Amino acid sequence: NAGVMQNPRHLVRRRGQEARLRCSPMKGHSHVYWYRQLPEEGLKFMVYLQKENIIDESGMPKERFSAEFPKEGPSILRIQQVVRGDSAAYFCASSNGQGVTNEKLFFGSGTQLSVL
Amino acid sequence: SQQGEEDPQALSIQEGENATMNCSYKTSINNLQWYRQNSGRGLVHLILIRSNEREKHSGRLRVTLDTSKKSSSLLITASRAADTASYFCATDGGYQKVTFGTGTKLQVIP
Repeated sequence: NAGVMQNPRHLVRRRGQEARLRCSPMKGHSHVYWYRQLPEEGLKFMVYLQKENIIDESGMPKERFSAEFPKEGPSILRIQQVVRGDSAAYFCASSNGQGVTNEKLFFGSGTQLSVL
Repeated sequence: SQQGEEDPQALSIQEGENATMNCSYKTSINNLQWYRQNSGRGLVHLILIRSNEREKHSGRLRVTLDTSKKSSSLLITASRAADTASYFCATDGGYQKVTFGTGTKLQVIP
């Protein structure tokens, strides 16, 4: 199965700990997006990355949040010193970056982060 | 802020009826997409319409786009219980960053 893989599926952290969310894009995809979703709400854009580059991080809080998409390995969304308000579902999506007229996204199943 | 906004927020219909959802957006776009999300799952791409297209069909789905009004509609014909899900429009805002609307929650009653 060459779909977008996110892990872990569920992550429980205590306040102050670090949360590390992983996303392996579809084979051949070089563009990764991270979104956050609260219950009964839409997806809020966080960050858009291409291999080794952050293209747009306008939706990501300046403090405690960081994202990377290294040349080798999965994309990582890191949340340091988590707070209860960070509890949400975090979705990753990937695309082949073949142009803005064909930017279809493929989504992972998400990571549900719960902060105690 | 969200680029798109769907209307209505929630819609409940009987199986066999048609469901229409609308999306309004703010800035110019290259394309607009519709996605579906079943509860607790990732989104699944349904259909993409380019800014120079006015209407597109895919099976029971019909999408229209009016760039002068910055709006789009998704029509699901002959709905089925399995169509129950949340539906989101997504726009690229003129470059490759894709942002989503607030969604329409559709319930199809058997």
